[in-house]
Amino acid sequence: QSALTQPPSASGSPGQSITISCTGTSSDIGRFNYVSWYQQQPGKAPKLIIYEVTRRPSGVPDRFSGSKSDNTAALTVSGLQAEDEADYYCKSVAGSSFVFGTGTRVTVL
Amino acid sequence: QVQLVQSGTEVKEPGVSVKVSCKASGNTFTNYHIHWVRQAPGQGLEWMGVMYGYGQTIYAQTFQGRVTITRDSSTDTVYMEVNSLRSDDTAVYYCTKETPRAYYFDPWGQGTLVTVSS
Repeated sequence: QSALTQPPSASGSPGQSITISCTGTSSDIGRFNYVSWYQQQPGKAPKLIIYEVTRRPSGVPDRFSGSKSDNTAALTVSGLQAEDEADYYCKSVAGSSFVFGTGTRVTVL
Repeated sequence: QVQLVQSGTEVKEPGVSVKVSCKASGNTFTNYHIHWVRQAPGQGLEWMGVMYGYGQTIYAQTFQGRVTITRDSSTDTVYMEVNSLRSDDTAVYYCTKETPRAYYFDPWGQGTLVTVSS
């Protein structure tokens, strides 16, 4: 199972919006509505920020939103803030296994 | 709320095994699934395998035959063992919880650094 494809980096100024893509195949993202997104700060464990493509756990700001079209999912961060600077990973179900994205480093300029 | 606490840092020589533990507090492991994910230095997250609440294990093809996930129900502890360690097994290993049929991972353990070096 190959990793899902994400851009290596994304950046924006405070207050701007950025969108991170996550491209898979018809065997993972295209087949299941179980895409989740994780935020990882340096030296910390990942933190769930989006599940089931669009749903946000309690406590996650509504600046974070998710979407999916065919084999590609996306995470949008609106109103970018300094604390959003982190690595972001998508993840999908792939049959009886799971597959992560390659990761995107977000920089707040 | 379940919390996952992992065992401490390990330094191992190539060729030996390492066993990392993940202890739950706040609930019993039979009610949910425990996954293992690793992250090599400066690299991304890689799914390794899962111990389902009902006891079945599934491994990523990459780790099939070299990784074993077990559990001790009496202590609510899940173990992940990697055999025949190589230098490229140097990584932080995380355990994380999946509520059955939820397909997302939350929460995560704090991570265990395993360094393989001669």
